[in-house]
Amino acid sequence: DIQLTQSPSLLSASVGDRVTITCRASQGIATSLVWYQQKPGKAPKLLLYAASTLQIGVPSRFSGSGSGTQFTLTISSLQPEDFATYYCQHFSGFPLAFGGGTKVEIK
Amino acid sequence: EVQLLESGGGLVQPGGSLRLSCAASGFTFSSSAMSWVRQAPGKGLEWVSTISDSGDDTYYPDSVKGRFTISRDNFKNTLSLQMNSLRAEDTALYYCVKYCRGGSCNGYYFDHWGQGTLVTVSS
Repeated sequence: DIQLTQSPSLLSASVGDRVTITCRASQGIATSLVWYQQKPGKAPKLLLYAASTLQIGVPSRFSGSGSGTQFTLTISSLQPEDFATYYCQHFSGFPLAFGGGTKVEIK
Repeated sequence: EVQLLESGGGLVQPGGSLRLSCAASGFTFSSSAMSWVRQAPGKGLEWVSTISDSGDDTYYPDSVKGRFTISRDNFKNTLSLQMNSLRAEDTALYYCVKYCRGGSCNGYYFDHWGQGTLVTVSS
């Protein structure tokens, strides 16, 4: 089974900061990786799929990169509405799995 | 607009059973794979099950295999999750999720989520 490890688990940042979250897969998954954002009390929201394709309606300050086992989610300039928890998920066969999450909090 | 409305959650004793339902609207349900994802209180996301658009193929992680059964009714646009032999560790908010894969999706991802239904397993 493929495991996903996110780092860091907690990230303190300020509005305007450039933020990078890493997701590492236990084995190669090509670009079969998705990123979600979840705010407290809300369902997750799709941000990017296929590692780097921005979902319709998601601001362009979000970007993703990587392939194989190493992936990153970058927020180029953190906005107040971006403080949330971010999850990666792979779609490289069953069982599907999520990373443990990265909480982005206000510094 | 895609809508996914879960129901059926509640308090159940360890070893008990519960059946969750999800009413789907706003898309062609019979053409879409569907999934369940859960989230224990204060914890991360865990994939629970997936069913193909036809219902012929189902998938589970080891944590629920043999205890949970996913099914669908493409005439009623309804997704279900039958949960048996429930354990305390099954306590979570259960999300009904639309699974976009291949074809016009240009990829694989969970693109729409319900608001969840809470399952609490406790004596």
